[in-house]
Amino acid sequence: SAVISQKPSRDICQRGTSLTIQCQVDSQVTMMFWYRQQPGQSLTLIATANQGSEATYESGFVIDKFPISRPNLTFSTLTVSNMSPEDSSIYLCSARTGTNYGYTFGSGTRLTVV
Amino acid sequence: GIQVEQSPPDLILQEGANSTLRCNFSDSVNNLQWFHQNPWGQLINLFYIPSGTKQNGRLSATTVATERYSLLYISSSQTTDSGVYFCAVEDYGGSQGNLIFGKGTKLSVKP
Repeated sequence: SAVISQKPSRDICQRGTSLTIQCQVDSQVTMMFWYRQQPGQSLTLIATANQGSEATYESGFVIDKFPISRPNLTFSTLTVSNMSPEDSSIYLCSARTGTNYGYTFGSGTRLTVV
Repeated sequence: GIQVEQSPPDLILQEGANSTLRCNFSDSVNNLQWFHQNPWGQLINLFYIPSGTKQNGRLSATTVATERYSLLYISSSQTTDSGVYFCAVEDYGGSQGNLIFGKGTKLSVKP
């Protein structure tokens, strides 16, 4: 199964600023996925990132707020823009490298907006 | 859309005890996974188990797809087992990668 490195692991940011989260997969994958986990809640899919095309966003998430890059088959970034305290969450990336392994997640980025 | 329900929502165990966590889902699925989220937020893939039974050390899982449920067994629990256990499914008709997560079972193992 895939190994995904995600950084930063945590950050405290001022409202109105932006943070870019990076994920690196140890093998090539067609799709990468970004999830948000609000405090005390379960995970919700933000968007699917394919290499060479625009990301596909789920209902309630927009590109201006969560721009995503996917420059190659092993790397993706998610930016949380113009942050407010409501954006305080854990953000996780995910990928799947084999049909027998399911989805693997990065270690997560714990974001606090003050 | 597909619904995923987990029970119990909270569980407190004494070290060494056994437990069973349950996941019910409302429709056919082509992927079911169990995850453990540790106190630091890291999500660890425990089992990929759309059907059948698997075992990994003190943990085992069984999915009965025809009856739309899965069970996670933890034997001889240890304090390091504490955290939140999530069941997640990917339905046949949904977007690939869109795992639908249950609300989780928060497990606390006391020494």
